[in-house]
Amino acid sequence: KAGVTQTPRYLIKTRGQQVTLSCSPISGHRSVSWYQQTPGQGLQFLFEYFSETQRNKGNFPGRFSGRQFSNSRSEMNVSTLELGDSALYLCASSIGLAGAFTDTQYFGPGTRLTVL
Amino acid sequence: SQELEQSPQSLIVQEGKNLTINCTSSKTLYGLYWYKQKYGEGLIFLMMLQKGGEEKSHEKITAKLDEKKQQSSLHITASQPSHAGIYLCGADQGAQKLVFGQGTRLTINP
Repeated sequence: KAGVTQTPRYLIKTRGQQVTLSCSPISGHRSVSWYQQTPGQGLQFLFEYFSETQRNKGNFPGRFSGRQFSNSRSEMNVSTLELGDSALYLCASSIGLAGAFTDTQYFGPGTRLTVL
Repeated sequence: SQELEQSPQSLIVQEGKNLTINCTSSKTLYGLYWYKQKYGEGLIFLMMLQKGGEEKSHEKITAKLDEKKQQSSLHITASQPSHAGIYLCGADQGAQKLVFGQGTRLTINP
């Protein structure tokens, strides 16, 4: 099976702009989770989507949003970019049906966003 | 909220040596994941532990979960250059959410 793919791999934006990142999960996986990784804060959970619905959300401002399509592909949008949004954004896919527990998450290569 | 502390933060070992990385949680661990990351790239799934006392091995890497100590350890035997990278532990928060430690950077010297 093909792994998780993310596009684009690298992105440079300026403050105030908005950006959309894309994630295609492993075939058959219906859950997509997004994480932000920075040197200072480490890896932090943004949100998770399953069957086009956001099921779980981390502690990020409303500028960070996402959506999932019927084919399980997911997009993440960041509006009004700030310098502090520079990070590696990772998505992870899983089957998503484990109930209270988390299925094994398989990560994509990430999108490195630089905000100037 | 649950926090994970990894130790050491950085580790340099001679090729062929054994090493151990620890991950200690501030709360009870219901599921603990180990991932490896090459700098600036995605995470590679290594192992998942769910039960206290559970131990899993894959090639030369062994992970254990000590539920009472709220701790997990990752042990690499006879290290190789291919083991170099950043090792991250992640605690299951439920509903597809993981909380991660800060990572341990492993360097293998030939």
